Amino acid sequence: DIQMTQSPSTLSASVGDRVTITCRASQTISSWLAWYQQKPGKAPKLLIYKASTLESGVPSRFSGSGSGTEFTLTISSLQPDDFATYYCQQYTTYSYTFGQGTKLEIK
Amino acid sequence: EVQLLESGGGLVQPGGSLRLSCAASGFTFSSSAMSWVRQAPGKGLEWVSGVSGSDVNVDSTYYADSVKGRFTISRDNSMNTLYLQMNRLRAEDTAVYYCAKDMGRLDYWGQGTLVTVSS
Repeated sequence: DIQMTQSPSTLSASVGDRVTITCRASQTISSWLAWYQQKPGKAPKLLIYKASTLESGVPSRFSGSGSGTEFTLTISSLQPDDFATYYCQQYTTYSYTFGQGTKLEIK
Repeated sequence: EVQLLESGGGLVQPGGSLRLSCAASGFTFSSSAMSWVRQAPGKGLEWVSGVSGSDVNVDSTYYADSVKGRFTISRDNSMNTLYLQMNRLRAEDTAVYYCAKDMGRLDYWGQGTLVTVSS
């Protein structure tokens, strides 16, 4: 299986900050990468797919980049609603695999 | 509006069985691939199983190694319902189980159903 490694595991930031989360794949996955946001007690929500395509309805402060094995999720100006846990997921092949998650906390 | 509603979770003893259901609406279920994803308490997301849509290969199924041989995914397109039959359950199968519409990226998710495996 393809292993996905996110960093950092925890990120403390303030409203208005620009933050970046990194996801690395153990082998090339082209651009078959998605990012999700999850809040406590809720299902994950798709933010970005194909590495950089914003899902409909997702604010433009979210952006994704990368290809091959290294990817980033950037939030350009943190809003209070953005404090949550973020996961990357590769879907180049079954079994799909997720990163271990990045918890974004209020500083 | 796409809706996915899971049911069937509960408390089961180790070695027991449970069948989860996911009722789908708001999209063409029969042609959509579907997946199950689980999340153990306080842990991350783990993809469990997937099934193709009818326009690809009829009922091609896929499993994570951790559940292969114990879990079976199936679908009833006449009922717009996805299933996960879980046999020989273990304590480590304790989790919230989500069904999701599968386009590679998982674009719609249900609210989840909790499965607890404990004596």
